[in-house]
Amino acid sequence: AQKITQTQPGMFVQEKEAVTLDCTYDTSDPSYGLFWYKQPSSGEMIFLIYQGSYDQQNATEGRYSLNFQKARKSANLVISASQLGDSAMYFCAMSTSGTYKYIFGTGTRLKVLA
Amino acid sequence: SQTIHQWPATLVQPVGSPLSLECTVEGTSNPNLYWYRQAAGRGLQLLFYSVGIGQISSEVPQNLSASRPQDRQFILSSKKLLLSDSGFYLCAWISGAGVYTGELFFGEGSRLTVL
Repeated sequence: AQKITQTQPGMFVQEKEAVTLDCTYDTSDPSYGLFWYKQPSSGEMIFLIYQGSYDQQNATEGRYSLNFQKARKSANLVISASQLGDSAMYFCAMSTSGTYKYIFGTGTRLKVLA
Repeated sequence: SQTIHQWPATLVQPVGSPLSLECTVEGTSNPNLYWYRQAAGRGLQLLFYSVGIGQISSEVPQNLSASRPQDRQFILSSKKLLLSDSGFYLCAWISGAGVYTGELFFGEGSRLTVL
């Protein structure tokens, strides 16, 4: 069975500092994708970054990077140089080639402090 | 370009009343379609997904049902709402070819309050 776990319900970070949001996953399918989404208070879902299970290098998109540790089944999101606009809910997600499910974790609410 | 619309945006319903939320996708064909529910301050719970017309997979049997009468139309229904059905409902789509490598595209969401 597929599972995504986010153990940090809430996090605080000082503006301009880096922050790591944790995500662990479980699947027996060798082909899968890992994703991070941001949900501001408006409710819209914003795609941030994708990591494929066969990718050798960690994905990066601007200030976002995904720390992919396959053996540990972790896919942590790192946000560098936090900005006030980064305050939002962040979701880790996974989809596998064997099913058409696209599942999400419980989310981490990030608050950036001025 | 592809777009996704869902409606209504907000609704307040009494316990025991029926529900119908509708979602349509434009600009693509044979998408994979998904319904999620987000309880207040909580994560996204996958309710149903569909890979084709009339094909529905259920993750949460309870008192909700879904239907896909047309390729780009996905409907979430209930015959009798419960208080626990309150939440933010999101419809999403992805190309079937890129289901585990691609981004999900979400609708604007429907906020349901059951009283």
